Amino acid sequence: RKEVEQDPGPFNVPEGATVAFNCTYSNSASQSFFWYRQDCRKEPKLLMSVYSSGNEDGRFTAQLNRASQYISLLIRDSKLSDSATYLCVVTLISNSGYALNFGKGTSLLVTP
Amino acid sequence: DAGVTQSPTHLIKTRGQQVTLRCSPKSGHDTVSWYQQALGQGPQFIFQYYEEEERQRGNFPDRFSGHQFPNYSSELNVNALLLGDSALYLCASSLGPASNEKLFFGSGTQLSVL
Repeated sequence: RKEVEQDPGPFNVPEGATVAFNCTYSNSASQSFFWYRQDCRKEPKLLMSVYSSGNEDGRFTAQLNRASQYISLLIRDSKLSDSATYLCVVTLISNSGYALNFGKGTSLLVTP
Repeated sequence: DAGVTQSPTHLIKTRGQQVTLRCSPKSGHDTVSWYQQALGQGPQFIFQYYEEEERQRGNFPDRFSGHQFPNYSSELNVNALLLGDSALYLCASSLGPASNEKLFFGSGTQLSVL
């Protein structure tokens, strides 16, 4: 079983729509959670961290459910510029360091 | 303030050859991690360097090796290249190996093995 699993999509939504992505992780000891955005042929960029209490950044809302080992990202009022791949990321930190475990990514296409 | 820089941007090699990729971390960062991203996949962790030592390693064979220099820059070496090594190789930098601060990625090196 993959450590981080996401629905690859693609999700095709019209401008202004609300879209939600889900992600599950297998290691219950995972400590930190993030959503990254990756545009075609570019490097991943941090979109937002995910906290147990849930957090919001403008049109973006992230939620974490540790009991179910489940992370979500909600995008409201979608813009054309939101078209990208959204990567769910989970980290496990040890004394020697940490590594990011990426999901395969969920592809989003926002259409006019 | 320069971000993470990687070179070269693109590279074409043939099976069996060896390749070296380079990375300069963001100014002020001392830790470098390398990731491999195959087409249609998420980035996979290769290894992390801090204080010129390999601190953590992902599930990659010994053909993948690295080095970190005193100025914190890093190299990724891949020997005996296979077709399956074709991927985007991403370097990321941070301050400290166990920092949970934002990780900065370079724009990557696209390696094609023919």
